[in-house]
Amino acid sequence: AIRMTQSPSSFSASTGDRVTITCRASQGISNYLAWYQQKPGKAPKLLIYGASSLQSGVPSRFSGSGSGTDFTLTISCLQSEDFATYYCQQYYSYLYTFGQGTKLEIK
Amino acid sequence: QVQLVQSGAEVKKPGASVKVSCKTSGFTFTSYGISWVRQAPGQGLEWMGWISGYNGDTNYAQKVQGRVTMTTDTSTNTAYMELRSLRSDDTAVYYCARDLSGYSYFDSWGQGSLVTVSS
Repeated sequence: AIRMTQSPSSFSASTGDRVTITCRASQGISNYLAWYQQKPGKAPKLLIYGASSLQSGVPSRFSGSGSGTDFTLTISCLQSEDFATYYCQQYYSYLYTFGQGTKLEIK
Repeated sequence: QVQLVQSGAEVKKPGASVKVSCKTSGFTFTSYGISWVRQAPGQGLEWMGWISGYNGDTNYAQKVQGRVTMTTDTSTNTAYMELRSLRSDDTAVYYCARDLSGYSYFDSWGQGSLVTVSS
């Protein structure tokens, strides 16, 4: 199975900051990567698919980039509602796998 | 609008089985697949498997292969996930999610169903 590794596992930031989360695949996955946001007690929400395509309704402060094995999710100007856990997911293989998650906390 | 509504919480004893339902609406069920994803308390997301709404083809994660069966009822646009021989580490929130093709991302999710395995 393709292993997805996110970094960092958690970190603290302030409203207005620009933050970047990294996801690395154990083998090349082209651009078959999605990013999700999850808040406590809620189902995950799709943010980005195809590594860089913004899902309808998602604010433009979210962006994704990368191809092959290395990917990033960037939030350009953190808002209070962005403090949550973020997951990457590969769908290059029909045996999907998620990263372990990155918890973004308020500093 | 697209909706996936799951069945309620369950409490099961070790060794028992559980069947979780996911009733869908707002889209053509047979044009999509449904994946099942679970999340143990305080842990990350774990993909369990996928089923085609078109022909019932399935792919299962190795970790649950042999204990899980995913099915659909196209007359009610409902997907089901049955997990057998439950263990304490199967305690989790189970989500269904819409999946275009089996090589895709999840653009809509159910609200989750908590399954607790305890003696």
